[in-house]
Amino acid sequence: DAKTTQPTSMDCAEGRAANLPCNHSTISGNEYVYWYRQIHSQGPQYIIHGLKNNETNEMASLIITEDRKSSTLILPHATLRDTAVYYCIVRFGNNNAGNMLTFGGGTRLMVKP
Amino acid sequence: GAVVSQHPSWVICKSGTSVKIECRSLDFQATTMFWYRQFPKQSLMLMATSNEGSKATYEQGVEKDKFLINHASLTLSTLTVTSAHPEDSSFYICSAKAGTGYTFGSGTRLTVV
Repeated sequence: DAKTTQPTSMDCAEGRAANLPCNHSTISGNEYVYWYRQIHSQGPQYIIHGLKNNETNEMASLIITEDRKSSTLILPHATLRDTAVYYCIVRFGNNNAGNMLTFGGGTRLMVKP
Repeated sequence: GAVVSQHPSWVICKSGTSVKIECRSLDFQATTMFWYRQFPKQSLMLMATSNEGSKATYEQGVEKDKFLINHASLTLSTLTVTSAHPEDSSFYICSAKAGTGYTFGSGTRLTVV
């Protein structure tokens, strides 16, 4: 799976949009971009994933550049409960159940009042 | 949505004893589950891939005789930490692939005293 690079930490004001970048310059054509987050002392929580089109769900938006070498996760109105470590993971999107997720360092997002 | 239940959420045990952690898929069948370990302020590290009805696949550096994995049914995988030592104290998390994503358990914090 392609390696990802994320900033170690970011701050965001409560109510503002949080934009979390991720570089994945070695991504291949059939690899998806997944985003998970981990709130302290909990298991990771799925946020969103995409292949090449921008995606939006009730939690967030995912913007993938045209060359697919980077992406941005957007939390439109960050709340204090969004404080967590956010992981950007790239992997093949086939249904092979043996393909696990490999976690990098992630971005520690701190939402401040 | 797909739910993975992990139990116990925390456990304290004496050095030299064994501890079993259970991971159950509640509303889907999981032929493969993954076990991760996370030390404080670090990312999740894959320990092993648990396959229903067959032997688990361990990552390099993970002792298979110390971390016993059993995946006897399509909804249950267990991780037993044998002869636990203080250095085994960590946050253990299981995961299973569900649909196009991955679902994680809530984690087990093991403290060996």
